Amino acid sequence: DAKTTQPNSMESNEEEPVHLPCNHSTISGTDYIHWYRQLPSQGPEYVIHGLTSNVNNRMASLAIAEDRKSSTLILHRATLRDAAVYYCSRTYKYIFGTGTRLKVLA
Amino acid sequence: NAGVMQNPRHLVRRRGQEARLRCSPMKGHSHVYWYRQLPEEGLKFMVYLQKENIIDESGMPKERFSAEFPKEGPSILRIQQVVRGDSAAYFCASSPASGRGEYFGPGTRLLVL
Repeated sequence: DAKTTQPNSMESNEEEPVHLPCNHSTISGTDYIHWYRQLPSQGPEYVIHGLTSNVNNRMASLAIAEDRKSSTLILHRATLRDAAVYYCSRTYKYIFGTGTRLKVLA
Repeated sequence: NAGVMQNPRHLVRRRGQEARLRCSPMKGHSHVYWYRQLPEEGLKFMVYLQKENIIDESGMPKERFSAEFPKEGPSILRIQQVVRGDSAAYFCASSPASGRGEYFGPGTRLLVL
């Protein structure tokens, strides 16, 4: 089964870090791990992607487990505008799970 | 640099009509992907195309749905003889190469009456 699995929902307080987990236990050696987020009534927005090493960009950080069977998207300081559904996916067949709905509390 | 363009943004069709959804990828991107999203559900992969080639159509329904990405012009997702169950948001994404991260368009919301 090539699915990714994520918690359905998470909550965070504003200005605090958020760690969003994803399991992709059947990932192959050449699959990239991608993260996207989607605000209501909008198209998904690319957040970050990586293969083996941890990755940082202006939006977030991506921590990839050594065995690559899981990864964590890290938002260092959550803001109200980060409230969205976050999807992780892998390259092969670009399979998206149902995503994690992040709620940010003021 | 314009992002991925999709049109129309909203499309209403009656049962039995044809729906044509267009997608213009970002400049320099030769890989196009189509996804469908039903209300309150996640994204479902439909098809992956490169210029003039279908790379993976394993997510496409076997009947009534087709996609193309010609040498010139946008990618087209065509749905023939639409049914109410086809009502959904259809998103197109593009990337410069496989595995490099995809950039999504705003979607076409299809409503079948």
